[in-house]
Amino acid sequence: EAQVTQNPRYLITVTGKKLTVTCSQNMNHEYMSWYRQDPGLGLRQIYYSMNVEVTDKGDVPEGYKVSRKEKRNFPLILESPSPNQTSLYFCASSPGQGVWEKLFFGSGTQLSVL
Amino acid sequence: AQSVTQLGSHVSVSEGALVLLRCNYSSSVPPYLFWYVQYPNQGLQLLLKYTSAATLVKGINGFEAEFKKSETSFHLTKPSAHMSDAAEYFCAVSEDSGYSTLTFGKGTMLLVSP
Repeated sequence: EAQVTQNPRYLITVTGKKLTVTCSQNMNHEYMSWYRQDPGLGLRQIYYSMNVEVTDKGDVPEGYKVSRKEKRNFPLILESPSPNQTSLYFCASSPGQGVWEKLFFGSGTQLSVL
Repeated sequence: AQSVTQLGSHVSVSEGALVLLRCNYSSSVPPYLFWYVQYPNQGLQLLLKYTSAATLVKGINGFEAEFKKSETSFHLTKPSAHMSDAAEYFCAVSEDSGYSTLTFGKGTMLLVSP
């Protein structure tokens, strides 16, 4: 079954404690992306990757890092989380940038930073 | 630069009533337009897309949308609402190019009452 898998589903942490949210896709997609969803603000793109070792900033990259060492994985790293990063995070993948009709989303990670 | 405006953060209808969710876009080039749906505790799923073919686009679950260039609109409709349609709906726009980005609206929550 084609899917984008995010872990964990829920995460509660404290300010400053480094964390990683994992994302993996099994469709051999080249393009992967991270979004955050906040009430009244919709989805905003954090980072995206067009292929292995190719990443770029989205609209709200501050406070986040990503890496793309393998095609299937695209982890999101918060080196020093702050309360304003409390949000619902989604990973997504597609065969390539611009192929939006085949954009697959994960089920989301609800992060709370205390 | 491209942008999307969704009028109404919440829309309430009765079961069996017409559903109308409004989306206006701004784009300097011919746009591709999308509607995504997000059910509770799930990621986004593609509902339908407009990519410069027919201006009236039919999607899944009885939804359709009409591209109106003169009004820069892409409103989503369904003749008769069902309880299972209760979800959040996102309009999104991209440009007609291989390296386009996808910009989401802020979302409209559809509430369906018995």
